[in-house]
Amino acid sequence: DSGVTQTPKHLITATGQRVTLRCSPRSGDLSVYWYQQSLDQGLQFLIQYYNGEERAKGNILERFSAQQFPDLHSELNLSSLELGDSALYFCASSVDGGANTGELFFGEGSRLTVL
Amino acid sequence: DAKTTQPPSMDCAEGRAANLPCNHSTISGNEYVYWYRQIHSQGPQYIIHGLKNNETNEMASLIITEDRKSSTLILPHATLRDTAVYYCIVRTLSNFGNEKLTFGTGTRLTIIP
Repeated sequence: DSGVTQTPKHLITATGQRVTLRCSPRSGDLSVYWYQQSLDQGLQFLIQYYNGEERAKGNILERFSAQQFPDLHSELNLSSLELGDSALYFCASSVDGGANTGELFFGEGSRLTVL
Repeated sequence: DAKTTQPPSMDCAEGRAANLPCNHSTISGNEYVYWYRQIHSQGPQYIIHGLKNNETNEMASLIITEDRKSSTLILPHATLRDTAVYYCIVRTLSNFGNEKLTFGTGTRLTIIP
């Protein structure tokens, strides 16, 4: 158990719909990272938040957005869903500051199926 | 971050040592070598990392060549549970919330009974 909690574990929805994925980082971790893993694309970095602020952006579509709340949990919002958005979405968190070893702790993922 | 090259797949007999190679010829002096693995569709799991010295922990050993252009991850006694995709990643280490990882395609290691 990495200590990172993601909900829901599975989600099935229709094209055009909007969903929200939630991530609770490990206690004390300030950074949250979102990754997408589809069958033909491997693990793709989407976005990172550090203590409530966006820190890095990867291949995140404009239809997707994320935020990190004051209690440090994060949400990834996916809208106008398309079949190609079907994927596993992983959240990770990291220790920051002097104790940092560069290790990312990943959750078990949210599997999104768009029909 | 420097690019890495890994073989797409490898087999290893159960109980034997699994040696997974990684080339990172463009690595710079302040970049570390990290190894993660992903078992089936679970979240990736950290294994080990190093800068230039060989490293060992309870999971594996990491051997980095003297010129740092390549490394080998060693699983000393492979079990069926070690069947996974193994990712070699090269990156700098920051203390300021900049730890994103860029995953390549990795090596799919299959442990054979």
